[in-house]
Amino acid sequence: GQQLNQSPQSMFIQEGEDVSMNCTSSSIFNTWLWYKQDPGEGPVLLIALYKAGELTSNGRLTAQFGITRKDSFLNISASIPSDVGIYFCAGGNKIIFGKGTRLHILP
Amino acid sequence: DTGVSQNPRHKITKRGQNVTFRCDPISEHNRLYWYRQTLGQGPEFLTYFQNEAQLEKSRLLSDRFSAERPKGSFSTLEIQRTEQGDSAMYLCASSLATGGFTDTQYFGPGTRLTVL
Repeated sequence: GQQLNQSPQSMFIQEGEDVSMNCTSSSIFNTWLWYKQDPGEGPVLLIALYKAGELTSNGRLTAQFGITRKDSFLNISASIPSDVGIYFCAGGNKIIFGKGTRLHILP
Repeated sequence: DTGVSQNPRHKITKRGQNVTFRCDPISEHNRLYWYRQTLGQGPEFLTYFQNEAQLEKSRLLSDRFSAERPKGSFSTLEIQRTEQGDSAMYLCASSLATGGFTDTQYFGPGTRLTVL
């Protein structure tokens, strides 16, 4: 079946730094979705990507749908404390989720 | 836009009891999904409805689990004879189907189930 590998598993960064995380799939995807989840809450959709090569921004967030259709990345610029949380990629013909990247911001 | 709502937010029950959760999707959305999420994992697909029809069920959905969406609006997920392994966050999502399975899904806040 389809599998998603999301990396890194966790990140510790200083406030103001840029962040980059990515997902790779074992097969071609036709949609990539990026979500953020805060503790005790459901995932919140950040960015949806529908075409290979598509680059989409949402404020300080930028995501790209890889040309091979087997990967996607999410960048966060100039991180702030409220960026702390778990970021999930999701996608595929029958949507599956990665295991998440946990973002920690050091004081 | 009130978003997807789920009730209750938390449920503690004893092993062997039955529990029922409710999900109210975004009003114009015709698809409704249920997921389960355990600690340190991403959400895992359980089942989904298009209007009132249940179109797919995951192998994760044992015969103790049943979901309904009788009028194509809200949905319920019932777990019978709960086991400690059922402890998880149960998430509901909805979408407006425009073709294909990967419609953009919007999630509710989840129901956290603890089975003692």
